[in-house]
Amino acid sequence: EDQVTQSPEALRLQEGESSSLNCSYTVSGLRGLFWYRQDPGKGPEFLFTLYSAGEEKEKERLKATLTKKESFLHITAPKPEDSATYLCAAQNQAGTALIFGKGTTLSVSS
Amino acid sequence: DTEVTQTPKHLVMGMTNKKSLKCEQHMGHRAMYWYKQKAKKPPELMFVYSYEKLSINESVPSRFSPECPNSSLLNLHLHALQPEDSALYLCASSQGTRELKAFFGQGTRLTVV
Repeated sequence: EDQVTQSPEALRLQEGESSSLNCSYTVSGLRGLFWYRQDPGKGPEFLFTLYSAGEEKEKERLKATLTKKESFLHITAPKPEDSATYLCAAQNQAGTALIFGKGTTLSVSS
Repeated sequence: DTEVTQTPKHLVMGMTNKKSLKCEQHMGHRAMYWYKQKAKKPPELMFVYSYEKLSINESVPSRFSPECPNSSLLNLHLHALQPEDSALYLCASSQGTRELKAFFGQGTRLTVV
């Protein structure tokens, strides 16, 4: 069964303290791996799509990487405004819908 | 423009009411989706429309009825809901169903009393 698992469930960082969020996937024929950011009570905001192992994408303080079994979202020198839930989702070869992980809730304090 | 617009933002309804949620996108996307999200849980897929035809219905109760009047609009008709149906309802769209880079609306917060 296709599955996406995110860790940790929650992460607390001090401002400027870099860290990584993990997304492990077991998906038949990965067609795409997606990262979203979600603020409380709002819809998910698209961040990145990764298609093949070795691929990397960057946006401001965020960098997403992909291997054959997992993806990492690296946060460099985070700021309080980076506090949110980060969702990882995968699309398998046959799928017409995203398979979501449960998310990592990030809190950054100043 | 990567905007998906949902109305209303908040809705409180009684268990005997009939109401509708609306969603609109102008990105030329041909696939549209309804998701349900409970607190501290990931979004759960309810319906997929591809080229204005319903292509996936994830065994959702019949008290939820989707409608796709055209390629830019998606509605979700609600009737005789239960308190456990209270959730954030999210609309999303993508170019098609082969490439699922999906853009989400801000959601409708539904409370059933």
